[in-house]
Amino acid sequence: KNEVEQSPQNLTAQEGEFITINCSYSVGISALHWLQQHPGGGIVSLFMLSSGKKKHGRLIATINIQEKHSSLHITASHPRDSAVYICAVTFGNEKLTFGTGTRLTIIP
Amino acid sequence: NAGVTQTPKFQVLKTGQSMTLQCAQDMNHEYMSWYRQDPGMGLRLIHYSVGAGITDQGEVPNGYNVSRSTTEDFPLRLLSAAPSQTSVYFCASSSSGTGRYIQYFGAGTRLSVL
Repeated sequence: KNEVEQSPQNLTAQEGEFITINCSYSVGISALHWLQQHPGGGIVSLFMLSSGKKKHGRLIATINIQEKHSSLHITASHPRDSAVYICAVTFGNEKLTFGTGTRLTIIP
Repeated sequence: NAGVTQTPKFQVLKTGQSMTLQCAQDMNHEYMSWYRQDPGMGLRLIHYSVGAGITDQGEVPNGYNVSRSTTEDFPLRLLSAAPSQTSVYFCASSSSGTGRYIQYFGAGTRLSVL
């Protein structure tokens, strides 16, 4: 059974800090997703990647297929980045298996 | 485009009542799915559909029914609500074309079963 593990579960940081959230999975995948869930509950897709690295603004996502590991980085963090960040994987179809999320709080 | 629209946003039911959670998307996406989100657990797939007339079970299908008569709509029916179905429900859709696998989520329905 595939497991998706995220760390840390909770992260509190000061505004401006560099943030790293980690995701590990146990079996081979075709793609990995990073999602953001706002305090109001809405879920937004940030990245989908199957290899290498993607960047969007202050967000960077990397994946190492051999190590079955992905990281989400946030540079120059801001209070508006406070949210739950969710890692999910797919195996060549549209079904996703989700991690339990990392709750990020950025303090001004 | 409105994207994925879920109704209602909040609902309180008594044990044994039935109801339908509505989900509609206007992006002509083939794939639609229902998830539930519970504290301390990741989102879990309830049912999904790869196109009109085609549905299948996900990880936690018991107590729920779905149908897909049109590309746009994918309602989730609770046949006889139980307290264990208290949860936040999300509908999502994705395309089989460009941007395949990227899922677009509705705003969620918060359901309490008393």
